[in-house]
Amino acid sequence: NAGVMQNPRHLVRRRGQEARLRCSPMKGHSHVYWYRQLPEEGLKFMVYLQKENIIDESGMPKERFSAEFPKEGPSILRIQQVVRGDSAAYFCASSPEGGGGNYGYTFGSGTRLTVV
Amino acid sequence: DQQVKQNSPSLSVQEGRISILNCDYTNSMFDYFLWYKKYPAEGPTFLISISSIKDKNEDGRFTVFLNKSAKHLSLHIVPSQPGDSAVYFCAARNTGNQFYFGTGTSLTVIP
Repeated sequence: NAGVMQNPRHLVRRRGQEARLRCSPMKGHSHVYWYRQLPEEGLKFMVYLQKENIIDESGMPKERFSAEFPKEGPSILRIQQVVRGDSAAYFCASSPEGGGGNYGYTFGSGTRLTVV
Repeated sequence: DQQVKQNSPSLSVQEGRISILNCDYTNSMFDYFLWYKKYPAEGPTFLISISSIKDKNEDGRFTVFLNKSAKHLSLHIVPSQPGDSAVYFCAARNTGNQFYFGTGTSLTVIP
């Protein structure tokens, strides 16, 4: 019973390239959340998705960032034309219901993006 | 706009003593609060939660206290153990079903 799977664990991109981060939620979970942790900072909410729907993207930067959770396959967080400031750990979480119920979310191990 | 704040970035405690981690929030509409524990290179894991209708929840060595009037949350760990050394995040849920996280407190339990 695998948990939340994120890949890759580490991703290095040159400035201007695209970064694609993948997240497979826990089995039975249909709600996916993306968070970003910048160095020396906490977890910042980015986007909340259900299958084929973006529920809340209020934490997403207005440009270059997009997210999707298709009917089939993992959720994807896409960052176009990466800049050094995008270097961070990106965590995906999932839950079986909105708001996580009594146990919050289950988090993946994160993808550490480094922009060089 | 940091709606959930953990003002102590780090805390050191002797093994066997009590660890108290604090968290303040600004949004009175938050209805559910959690504490997560995070080890390096891993994702956060759920530790303990409390509903806004309660003021205390206890689970073994871990107790969470909620003071709604002060908009303050605390986590007590007693007795503290070296394996408790980790970063602890508090999180609060809004009516839109997203959790807002604090910046974390790094706890070191000294053997």
